[in-house]
Parts: sequence; C-alpha cells; structure tokens
Amino acid sequence: GDSVTQMEGPVTLSEEAFLTINCTYTATGYPSLFWYVQYPGEGLQLLLKATKADDKGSNKGFEATYRKETTSFHLEKGSVQVSDSAVYFCALSRSNTGKLIFGQGTTLQVKP
Amino acid sequence: DAGVTQSPTHLIKTRGQQVTLRCSPKSGHDTVSWYQQALGQGPQFIFQYYEEEERQRGNFPDRFSGHQFPNYSSELNVNALWLGDSALYLCASSSTDSTYGYTFGSGTRLTVV
Repeated sequence: GDSVTQMEGPVTLSEEAFLTINCTYTATGYPSLFWYVQYPGEGLQLLLKATKADDKGSNKGFEATYRKETTSFHLEKGSVQVSDSAVYFCALSRSNTGKLIFGQGTTLQVKP
Repeated sequence: DAGVTQSPTHLIKTRGQQVTLRCSPKSGHDTVSWYQQALGQGPQFIFQYYEEEERQRGNFPDRFSGHQFPNYSSELNVNALWLGDSALYLCASSSTDSTYGYTFGSGTRLTVV
C-alpha cells in the first residue's frame, strides 16, 4: 500500500543554517504531496503542497519539488529561524478530499 | 472565521470505559476526517464522514465509530478503551467544492489509565 518515509530526527541547526528534510514515498500513479508543520500543543498546519510531477510547492521560505523519478519530496529552506522549530510531516493523498497518509515526522530544533 | 473546533482538549479515562470526542468543522466545510496521532508518530487515518455517512475507513477496529450530524459536526466514539488508545485525536474538515482544503483542529489529548 501507499506509504511515506521521512528522515529520522531530531534535526538540530543553528539559526540561518540551510535545512533539508528528506521525504520519499511509495505509491502507484500520481498522488498529491504535502508538507505539514505541527507546533507544540497545536494541530497540523499545511505548509506547502504539489499535485503533479515537477511541481514546486513553496511557502514562508520553504520549498519542495515533486520528483516522480526518485519518488521524493524533500523539504528545504535556505535560512532557518528559531521560530521554525516544530515537527514537520510529509504526507500524500490520492484525491483532494481523500485520506492523508503521513510519515512519522521529523523534529526540527533551531538554536540561536 | 472560526477554524475547526474540538472538545474536550484533554481527557483521562480508565481502561474499559467509553469516550466521545467532538468536532465542529470550519464554516463552509462539509466533510470531516478523524486521525489518531500516537506520541512521536505521524497521524493515522481513522475514518471520514460526508453527508452523515462514513465514506472511507482506515485500519481501525469496530470499537472506533463515528457520526456526522446535519450541521456537519461530528463525533468520534471509542468503546472498551485500552492503554494503546492513548493518543492525540485530530479532526480535519474539508469541502467537496474546493480544490484542496484540509483544516485541522488542535486535537483532543486522550489518556487511558
């Protein structure tokens, strides 16, 4: 069945460092791909999405490109801030209102 | 505009008891999905309700049941609680009219002792 695998955390970076969180997926066809962020004590917020191969999702300085050939959707940010500290989830869905399948999450800790 | 509202925020139950969690979707949304998030894990899909019927279901036992009301709000019921049901339960609403529109609530933290 469909699945999502993320790099294990925690990831600890200094402020202004470059961020990469790896995400790969297993699915037939062309699912939509998402990154969600969860701040302590809160629910999930959609960070960005891509719905077809080679699409690039971007938001708040974060980017991810849908790579069908490598079944990947890695999250990147050029310069992280302390406020980016959170848990990041990669997810896929087969339709706009279909169920989301999440990875296990990657904790990011940014130190001043 | 209120987002997704879940109640209660925290709950402690004893093994074998039953629990009901509630969700009010974002205004304009007609579909409600429930997820279970165990500590340190990603959310797992439980089921989805649309037009007061269960439309999709994940790999959860029949102890997990739900309901959607005419005003689109929803309840998640769990019977015969056991320790492994301790988790954060997330509600997400969406609209069949939108290209994409999942809005998540802040969740209900259930602890089974």
